[in-house]
Amino acid sequence: GENVEQHPSTLSVQEGDSAVIKCTYSDSASNYFPWYKQELGKRPQLIIDIRSNVGEKKDQRIAVTLNKTAKHFSLHITETQPEDSAVYFCAASIGGSYIPTFGRGTSLIVHP
Amino acid sequence: EAEVAQSPRYKITEKSQAVAFWCDPISGHATLYWYRQILGQGPELLVQFQDESVVDDSQLPKDRFSAERLKGVDSTLKIQPAELGDSAMYLCASSFGEEKGVHGYTFGSGTRLTVV
Repeated sequence: GENVEQHPSTLSVQEGDSAVIKCTYSDSASNYFPWYKQELGKRPQLIIDIRSNVGEKKDQRIAVTLNKTAKHFSLHITETQPEDSAVYFCAASIGGSYIPTFGRGTSLIVHP
Repeated sequence: EAEVAQSPRYKITEKSQAVAFWCDPISGHATLYWYRQILGQGPELLVQFQDESVVDDSQLPKDRFSAERLKGVDSTLKIQPAELGDSAMYLCASSFGEEKGVHGYTFGSGTRLTVV
């Protein structure tokens, strides 16, 4: 089955700095890579996703990159704000389906 | 904004008791998923429904867990008997399904289960 590793487990930055979260996956057939943000006590919410035929995708301050050869993908958040503080989960689809296997999460703390 | 409804929000039960969770997906979403999220970890898929049919329940501990979606709309997840290790957040998610080309999930707010 799919195995998704996510690093770091905790990331602390100052407001305005950039934050980068990295994930690796094991299944070369994975073709869909969503990222979810989960605030304390709330549901995970999809913030951005990328498909295997695209190397990079950007949405305002958030960007994702995908390296299929190396089987790793990353989330980049620029100009971080305190409201970006949350747990971020990467995920990779199981085989050719779009069902995600989640990483263990990264707790991002943005200090004002 | 349409939401996935889940109830109850919190549940405390004694070990060996039965417990049930309910989920009502977004209208029109054919695919429904139950996930378990242990504190400090990512969600783990328990079961996937396509309409009323189970598509994948390979990770569901079938000796104590059961799930149904009888009319292809709302769904119930049951645990009997509950064990201490079942304490977790149980999340329901739904989507239109792969055949419609929309892949993002919408999660419900979850049911926080504590087994004592």
